[in-house]
Amino acid sequence: NAGVTQTPKFRILKIGQSMTLQCTQDMNHNYMYWYRQDPGMGLKLIYYSVGAGITDKGEVPNGYNVSRSTTEDFPLRLELAAPSQTSVYFCASSYPKQPQHFGDGTRLSIL
Amino acid sequence: AQTVTQSQPEMSVQEAETVTLSCTYDTSESDYYLFWYKQPPSRQMILVIRQEAYKQQNATENRFSVNFQKAAKSFSLKISDSQLGDAAMYFCAYRSAGEKGGSEKLVFGKGMKLTVNP
Repeated sequence: NAGVTQTPKFRILKIGQSMTLQCTQDMNHNYMYWYRQDPGMGLKLIYYSVGAGITDKGEVPNGYNVSRSTTEDFPLRLELAAPSQTSVYFCASSYPKQPQHFGDGTRLSIL
Repeated sequence: AQTVTQSQPEMSVQEAETVTLSCTYDTSESDYYLFWYKQPPSRQMILVIRQEAYKQQNATENRFSVNFQKAAKSFSLKISDSQLGDAAMYFCAYRSAGEKGGSEKLVFGKGMKLTVNP
């Protein structure tokens, strides 16, 4: 029972590079979310999706893009990595009005 | 916008004793959910307990219980018979009960580090 799977678990990027953080869930959840967690802080919402083909911005969307072509997958794209994007990134999914299930996170460092 | 405040950055408790973690929140909504999440060093976000605002009865899950004071906008977590495995960061979180998927985002506090001493 995999739940929410995030890859990679760790990554170091150089400033200006791009990458995609992968997230997939096998629970057939409609809703998916991307959060970031900065040191000493709680999680903040970057983007969310209520179903395939539908995405919307959260609290801190600048510098990121997402897509939702299938129910299972919700990748997060960083186009021009900046030091301010150094963080731990969490993907989560849920049914409507049900608790969110979280992946194990991706630790991203941008140097 | 909703906000969640955890004013105690760190606490410690002796094994087998009871500890209470505090959380306050601000909202103009009448219907919402409140959560406590545990984040151990492994970084996982683990749901500990949740409370629906329309329910007057405080939620309990084994050794974990909450004291929900809606008028005071307070939502504290009590851990009884503390165990070494309870050591972690604890986050209080708020979620609106609105219909749209976007309103189901979680708003987190900054977290509190709990240490359990043997």
